[in-house]
This record gives sequence, C-alpha cells and structure tokens, in this order.
Amino acid sequence: EVQLLESGGGLVQPGGSLRLSCAASGFTFSSYAMSWVRQAPGKGLEWVSSITGSGGSTYHADSVKGRFTISRDNSKNTLYLQMNSLRVEDTAVYYCAKDPFYGFDVWGQGTTVTVS
Amino acid sequence: EIVLTQSPATLSLSPGERATLSCRASQSVSSYLAWYQQKPGQAPRLLIYDASNRATGIPARFSGSGSGTDFTLTISSLEPEDFAVYYCQQRTNWPRYTFGQGTKLEIK
Repeated sequence: EVQLLESGGGLVQPGGSLRLSCAASGFTFSSYAMSWVRQAPGKGLEWVSSITGSGGSTYHADSVKGRFTISRDNSKNTLYLQMNSLRVEDTAVYYCAKDPFYGFDVWGQGTTVTVS
Repeated sequence: EIVLTQSPATLSLSPGERATLSCRASQSVSSYLAWYQQKPGQAPRLLIYDASNRATGIPARFSGSGSGTDFTLTISSLEPEDFAVYYCQQRTNWPRYTFGQGTKLEIK
C-alpha cells in the first residue's frame, strides 16, 4: 500500500524552528518528485515546496523562501521540511504529497504546526 | 501568478442530483488542471488530472471538462459521501502550483 506519514509538528514560538518529516512506503520513492502543501485553519490549500526525485532541484513558494528548506534522503525514503524563522501566519496543517507531475496523487494525513 | 476562481462558493444540492462546479483561470492553463475532494479532517484526494482524466479508483460519476481558462467538474448523481469541499489546481509552471479557493458542496 502506498503511504505517506508525516511527523514533527507542534507548538513553537514566533522566530523558532521545526523540522517536519514524511516517511514514504509502497512505491519507489526516488522516482518521484515530492512536495509540501499547507492549509491554514479554515482556509484553502497552499503549495509550499517541492523537490525532484534525485533531490537535485528544489523549489519554494515566495511566502517561505529563505526560511524553509525542503530536502530528502532517498536511502531512508524520507522527505523533510526545515522551517526556520517561523511566523504566526505559518500556522497550518502541513501535508506531504507524492507528485508525478500531473498533480498530487498520494497525500499524508498531515501534521499540525502552531506558531504562537 | 495564475489565479484560479471557483464558483459557486457554496452549492446546496440533494443526493441523486447533478452537481456542476466551475473553475476559471486568470490566463490559459491549457489542460493542466486538476480537481481534488477534501472531507473534514482528511487530506485532499485527487479526482481528476489534466482536465478530464480520472485518477485511480475514482468513480465514473465524476467527470472533468474544459481547456484554456474555463473548467468544469461534474458529479452526475450525488452520493451522500460526495458532500465535501472541492478544489481546482493548475500546474502550468511546475511545481509552482496554485489552487482555487474551493467550493463547498453541501446537502440541501
């Protein structure tokens, strides 16, 4: 079964840091780009960051550029999001998603980040 | 940035009725448009990609159409489990995806 399982969320003060992890199983992890998408409370979906299968290219939304860093360890089938200089407006549920380039076909259950 | 505008914001229908949801792009996205369903407390689920292709395991009552700037998601006969929020998403400049603001499909 294809599965993504996020962890690492929690409560952090403004200016603090968190690292999210996403453990993948059931597919060839290194063959797919992966992304992080967030959803603020009661709001819609926002693309945050993406990384190619090899990890050689990374992309970040302007709202997080310079503060967040996406990375992956293909030997561990794990995706990461390092979040620094956190702001109140970063409060959201963060989802990792498998990205076969036509959309997000597999999603994790989400991990909640609260900046307060 | 391409802006996606979904309408209506809320759609109230009864089980068995036909639902038509709209997504309009601020500039052409060709056929690079996807639709997602999200139920409360759950992650989104991919329904349709590239405007009209059903994702794996999606029932045939869901269909997508359109190209350029105007797109439609149609649910031919609503089942109780279809009441949820629906989002459109474009991918013309991978991976800088943008999403619409969502349409809430509620039971009348």
